[in-house]
Amino acid sequence: GQQVMQIPQYQHVQEGEDFTTYCNSSTTLSNIQWYKQRPGGHPVFLIQLVKSGEVKKQKRLTFQFGEAKKNSSLHITATQTTDVGTYFCAGLNNAGNMLTFGGGTRLMVKP
Amino acid sequence: DTEVTQTPKHLVMGMTNKKSLKCEQHMGHRAMYWYKQKAKKPPELMFVYSYEKLSINESVPSRFSPECPNSSLLNLHLHALQPEDSALYLCASSQTLASYEQYFGPGTRLTVT
Repeated sequence: GQQVMQIPQYQHVQEGEDFTTYCNSSTTLSNIQWYKQRPGGHPVFLIQLVKSGEVKKQKRLTFQFGEAKKNSSLHITATQTTDVGTYFCAGLNNAGNMLTFGGGTRLMVKP
Repeated sequence: DTEVTQTPKHLVMGMTNKKSLKCEQHMGHRAMYWYKQKAKKPPELMFVYSYEKLSINESVPSRFSPECPNSSLLNLHLHALQPEDSALYLCASSQTLASYEQYFGPGTRLTVT
């Protein structure tokens, strides 16, 4: 079945440093979605990427979808303490009926 | 209203009990999902309902029984659970099957004793 891997598992950064998490799928994806889960909270949708090579920005967050539609990345510029949480990528299979979550990257930001 | 509500927030049950988890959304979404999430792990898909019909059952044990009484409600009936079933149970909904963003509820924290 479809597998989605995410690295790193954990990342500690000093406030103001940049952060990147990477996502790789074993199969070509229809689209990829990114979610953020704060400690004690539930996943909250951030963005969806559909096109090969797509790049989208949300303020300090930059999302990329690979040319082969098998990998993606999330980059945060100048992290803030409010960025703390676990970032999950989730790949949609080509049948369009199932989202498989990556293992998540837990981001901790030291003030 | 972009909210998915879940009740109860917390549930403690014995292995012989029968209980139900409830999920509700009023966004007109036609796809609803149950996920199980263990600590420090990603959500694992359990069931998918599309237009009130069960679309996907990810080989979930029969002690978990989903039900979709109408387009706004999703239940998960629990019976004879095991301690390893203790987890956060998340409900989510999307406009239609997973092509659209999923809205998650706050979850039910289940402890099986």
